[in-house]
Amino acid sequence: AQSVAQPEDQVNVAEGNPLTVKCTYSVSGNPYLFWYVQYPNRGLQFLLKYITGDNLVKGSYGFEAEFNKSQTSFHLKKPSALVSDSALYFCAVIGAGSYQLTFGKGTKLSVIP
Amino acid sequence: DAGVIQSPRHEVTEMGQEVTLRCKPISGHDYLFWYRQTMMRGLELLIYFNNNVPIDDSGMPEDRFSAKMPNASFSTLKIQPSEPRDSAVYFCASSLKSLYGYTFGSGTRLTVV
Repeated sequence: AQSVAQPEDQVNVAEGNPLTVKCTYSVSGNPYLFWYVQYPNRGLQFLLKYITGDNLVKGSYGFEAEFNKSQTSFHLKKPSALVSDSALYFCAVIGAGSYQLTFGKGTKLSVIP
Repeated sequence: DAGVIQSPRHEVTEMGQEVTLRCKPISGHDYLFWYRQTMMRGLELLIYFNNNVPIDDSGMPEDRFSAKMPNASFSTLKIQPSEPRDSAVYFCASSLKSLYGYTFGSGTRLTVV
């Protein structure tokens, strides 16, 4: 079975500071990893993905994520947070041979002006 | 493309009534997924289709829930009879092969009173 853990329900960061939203996963075989963002009363929007190749993946709105196989982690990062980044962030994984995305419970990011 | 289209956006119904949620996936996508989002349980996969065929419905909570995909451009999720604990946001998502990630609709907020 595949699973995703987002250990923090909420992350608060001051505007302009770097942010990190943590994610660890468990799958059989090589993982395919994703980050999605959800703004209030909206659907989930794709941010970035790791399939293979460079461990550092760059995505939309200045976000990036680093795949760490030994730590089974895929943390989301941004060098300088904006108030408009405040939203709910979901990490998700697909394991080898699977066709369904398993999501973490989400982390609420609040960027304080 | 207008993206994944869900209707209605909001539905309020009385306990015991039948509820039908609708989804139009992105043209050409061959996977369609129904998710339910609640505060307590996060995002749960209910069922997914590949080329209009249901592949895995193990997430459907009980027999009151049913889903169909009569053609490549339309899917329904039906709850009969509805119960207050079914109150949630229901998302439809579609994908062209799972590794490309999913495109989500804006969701249907269901309230059963």
